[in-house]
Amino acid sequence: GDSVTQMEGPVTLSEEAFLTINCTYTATGYPSLFWYVQYPGEGLQLLLKATKADDKGSNKGFEATYRKETTSFHLEKGSVQVSDSAVYFCALRGGGGADGLTFGKGTHLIIQP
Amino acid sequence: GAVVSQHPSWVICKSGTSVKIECRSLDFQATTMFWYRQFPKQSLMLMATSNEGSKATYEQGVEKDKFLINHASLTLSTLTVTSAHPEDSSFYICSALRLAGGPYQETQYFGPGTRLLVL
Repeated sequence: GDSVTQMEGPVTLSEEAFLTINCTYTATGYPSLFWYVQYPGEGLQLLLKATKADDKGSNKGFEATYRKETTSFHLEKGSVQVSDSAVYFCALRGGGGADGLTFGKGTHLIIQP
Repeated sequence: GAVVSQHPSWVICKSGTSVKIECRSLDFQATTMFWYRQFPKQSLMLMATSNEGSKATYEQGVEKDKFLINHASLTLSTLTVTSAHPEDSSFYICSALRLAGGPYQETQYFGPGTRLLVL
């Protein structure tokens, strides 16, 4: 079945550092890929997505590129802020839009001033 | 943005009782909603897909008689945990699917979750 593997946390960085959170996936066919973010006390929010190979999703300074050859969708940001502290989930949707998502375990990101 | 609410946000119940959790899409209609379960330090696991006006589709290993899902309107889906036991204690999260203009534009919007503790 489909699966998503992302780096274990917590990841602790200083403000303005470069961020990479690795995500790799296993799926049949051509999945859509997502990054969701969960701020303390809130529900998951869609951060960005990519629906086909070589697509780049971007939002709020975060980027991720759909790499089919390496089955990866790594999340990057050039300069993190304290407000980026949250839990980040990589996810895929294997089929059509009405299918549920398969999630990674989540990576807790802590940004220190 | 699209808003999805859940009620209650947390609930404590005695073993053997039933608990109902509501999931509402507040500013859009959702033909399809999903129910997930999250254990501590684990990923969200899809339990079932809830379709308005029809029976829910359950993932393998999820007991449909244990976790009753009703999607009676385009803005409300309910999950009832029947005869709850301590092993049902978990964090339950719903999402509602919002359709957009073209293919691959559908987006799931998540509720804040409901924490269930069964004593």
